[in-house]
Amino acid sequence: DAKTTQPNSMESNEEEPVHLPCNHSTISGTDYIHWYRQLPSQGPEYVIHGLTSNVNNRMASLAIAEDRKSSTLILHRATLRDAAVYYCILNWAGQNFVFGPGTRLSVLP
Amino acid sequence: DTGVSQDPRHKITKRGQNVTFRCDPISEHNRLYWYRQTLGQGPEFLTYFQNEAQLEKSRLLSDRFSAERPKGSFSTLEIQRTEQGDSAMYLCASSSPRRTSGGITDTQYFGPGTRLTVL
Repeated sequence: DAKTTQPNSMESNEEEPVHLPCNHSTISGTDYIHWYRQLPSQGPEYVIHGLTSNVNNRMASLAIAEDRKSSTLILHRATLRDAAVYYCILNWAGQNFVFGPGTRLSVLP
Repeated sequence: DTGVSQDPRHKITKRGQNVTFRCDPISEHNRLYWYRQTLGQGPEFLTYFQNEAQLEKSRLLSDRFSAERPKGSFSTLEIQRTEQGDSAMYLCASSSPRRTSGGITDTQYFGPGTRLTVL
């Protein structure tokens, strides 16, 4: 079973920031938090990952709670191309990913 | 490198036929994963290889399924005597785990998938 919980769906307006939450209350000390997204008819695409500290890359930012029991993926300015299913995954020592149903993000023009 | 590639992208077959899919990982990656995804669900793990060794298989991988990774490069996934329930997207991912100060991190890169339809 997936070790994370996410809202089933979220909506955002174009060019506004989006905060996608993820709860992972049973996270262990060695679990990395990964975020992937999947556009229709495509394979999942890596977005960002982190362990304890907040992370930024060209696609997004990852804010990790101090107790690591939750995290938030931040898209700073949503575009129509960001409409996808976003998955939050815990991964330990490079084992296989366990995907949940993810959050379906809709971006309104 | 152009990323993970999979072939074919689409396969339609009749129930009872055998099918084989191919995955070419990113060249320097030593791990290769296979996942299956049905409509509206997240991908489900099937099996993975470390170089040419198959290290883990999911209970989803029935005896009709077999995967190989000869020489630790490309991989094939074969389904024998296909059933309608095998209709799904089959995804391949590759990675190269690395040790960091916090532990071992493993970013998997996925291919576009092979969509199988069993009639």
